[in-house]
Amino acid sequence: AQSVSQHNHHVILSEAASLELGCNYSYGGTVNLFWYVQYPGQHLQLLLKYFSGDPLVKGIKGFEAEFIKSKFSFNLRKPSVQWSDTAEYFCAVNAGNNNDMRFGAGTRLTVKP
Amino acid sequence: ETGVTQTPRHLVMGMTNKKSLKCEQHLGHNAMYWYKQSAKKPLELMFVYNFKEQTENNSVPSRFSPECPNSSHLFLHLHTLQPEDSALYLCASSQVTALGYTFGSGTRLTVV
Repeated sequence: AQSVSQHNHHVILSEAASLELGCNYSYGGTVNLFWYVQYPGQHLQLLLKYFSGDPLVKGIKGFEAEFIKSKFSFNLRKPSVQWSDTAEYFCAVNAGNNNDMRFGAGTRLTVKP
Repeated sequence: ETGVTQTPRHLVMGMTNKKSLKCEQHLGHNAMYWYKQSAKKPLELMFVYNFKEQTENNSVPSRFSPECPNSSHLFLHLHTLQPEDSALYLCASSQVTALGYTFGSGTRLTVV
């Protein structure tokens, strides 16, 4: 089964700093890739997704992610973070022909005002 | 409100109790899922139901028993749980997986 690794457990940034959260997966076939965000006390929300096509995917709130197939990576980026981006971010992957989704352990982002 | 409703939001139960978690969606989705979210661990997929049929059980202990009476409702029956089962239990639904899941807000379970 596919697995997902998020190497940063907790990232602390100041407002306006640039963000990059790492995500690597282990699966050799076709994959669909996702980033979810969980704001404090709220439910998981879809931030962006990649199925095919342009490997640079743009999501909500200025986030983007780049799929690099050769590196099995799908890193999340934002050029300038805001205090309101404080949340936990989860990378997820599902193989192209089944419908169970595997999540990483999550990365907690704290943005200091 | 996400369209996926989980009740109760919080549950405290003793190890000898029997309780059930409920999940309801009216999004027209045909797949529903139970996940366990523990601190500092990946979300663990527990059960998958497609069109009311269970298609996946990820080696979940039998003290967790799912039930899907129709495509809109999903239950997780709990009995003789252990303290390590304390976690946030998330329900999700989807129409087609590639579109991403819609998650409920979860049930925070504490086993004492």
